[in-house]
Amino acid sequence: GAVVSQHPSRVICKSGTSVKIECRSLDFQATTMFWYRQFPKQSLMLMATSNEGSKATYEQGVEKDKFLINHASLTLSTLTVTSAHPEDSSFYICSATAGGFSAAFFGQGTRLTVV
Amino acid sequence: EDQVTQSPEALRLQEGESSSLNCSYTVSGLRGLFWYRQDPGKGPEFLFTLYSAGEEKEKERLKATLTKKESFLHITAPKPEDSATYLCAGHYSGAGSYQLTFGKGTKLSVIP
Repeated sequence: GAVVSQHPSRVICKSGTSVKIECRSLDFQATTMFWYRQFPKQSLMLMATSNEGSKATYEQGVEKDKFLINHASLTLSTLTVTSAHPEDSSFYICSATAGGFSAAFFGQGTRLTVV
Repeated sequence: EDQVTQSPEALRLQEGESSSLNCSYTVSGLRGLFWYRQDPGKGPEFLFTLYSAGEEKEKERLKATLTKKESFLHITAPKPEDSATYLCAGHYSGAGSYQLTFGKGTKLSVIP
């Protein structure tokens, strides 16, 4: 299957600082990337959808100014958590698809802890 | 609203005890049905895509099937390393930007 690399896998930051998470499709061009948040023992919660070269579409209730998404190329999307607070601590996962209704492949996830 | 419902929520099997996981879905507009495996602290791993009723896909001890209203993930003679949460997801036409609608998952535990 296709490979999606997410970095870092784990990050600890201080409250009030910003954290950037990268998501790269290594062996295919990802026209669409998705960012999810997952709480313990729960399923994936879609935060936003990004298409290369255009602004991300955020799900209802997700603060676009706090969770900045940039899909600068067909292989890279970034999620920046700005002015992080302890309640932003969570497991963040990206996925990428080559487009249409083809399979989406997921990164390894990033465990964010805000102290 | 498009829905994907998985059952059971949790399943404990003895090693070698075959069973099936169920995924029922909203029929209207479904363009593809996906199965993923997720281990604790990891992102979901793609297993199968099914596009039409009657389709079957196999990989090692796993076989996914699709009917007109549900999908099954059959696990034959499971081993402890098959323990994971299995997620079912649907792709629907009309949904924004081809996003997936996920079920809540079935947590499978295979006891040696």
